[in-house]
Amino acid sequence: NAGVTQTPKFQVLKTGQSMTLQCAQDMNHEYMSWYRQDPGMGLRLIHYSVGAGITDQGEVPNGYNVSRSTTEDFPLRLLSAAPSQTSVYFCASSYSPVTISPLHFGNGTRLTVT
Amino acid sequence: SQELEQSPQSLIVQEGKNLTINCTSSKTLYGLYWYKQKYGEGLIFLMMLQKGGEEKSHEKITAKLDEKKQQSSLHITASQPSHAGIYLCGADNNNDMRFGAGTRLTVKP
Repeated sequence: NAGVTQTPKFQVLKTGQSMTLQCAQDMNHEYMSWYRQDPGMGLRLIHYSVGAGITDQGEVPNGYNVSRSTTEDFPLRLLSAAPSQTSVYFCASSYSPVTISPLHFGNGTRLTVT
Repeated sequence: SQELEQSPQSLIVQEGKNLTINCTSSKTLYGLYWYKQKYGEGLIFLMMLQKGGEEKSHEKITAKLDEKKQQSSLHITASQPSHAGIYLCGADNNNDMRFGAGTRLTVKP
């Protein structure tokens, strides 16, 4: 079972470059989300989606864009990378809004911005 | 928004010892989730608690939810090296999940 797949696993960017972090799930989950994990700060929600065509901002959305054109995919775009965006990024999904079912996580993308 | 505080931040125990990790919420808890993370990997779901007083166990890990105290505890009995990792609690915050900063557990053989 693939579950939640994130690509790439590692990425190095220069300040000002743009890129897209890919996330795909094969569990037919309606809910998907992106988190970043920084030392001492735990996981912080960037954006989330409760279904195809619907997205919303989380706790730290600035500098990131998302779209949800299909149930399976939820890409995260960095428009102009900054050193403050150096972090580990996790994509997660669940069957329904999180009040009912737990999140399933990908293995993360480790991003370094120089 | 809901904030979750975990204690301790890190914990080093000898193999075979018992330990407890706490998660305290700034708001009423309607659902509390426990996850484990190994270095370089994603989070693995452990347990979900939804009712005050609820207690769940999986192998040697037991979690309890005290709604009145807005707190949950995770207890590991007879710890093993396989229990090492980062334990995070998460709670629903109006359609998104917020997490504590995590507790890093080291188990010495």
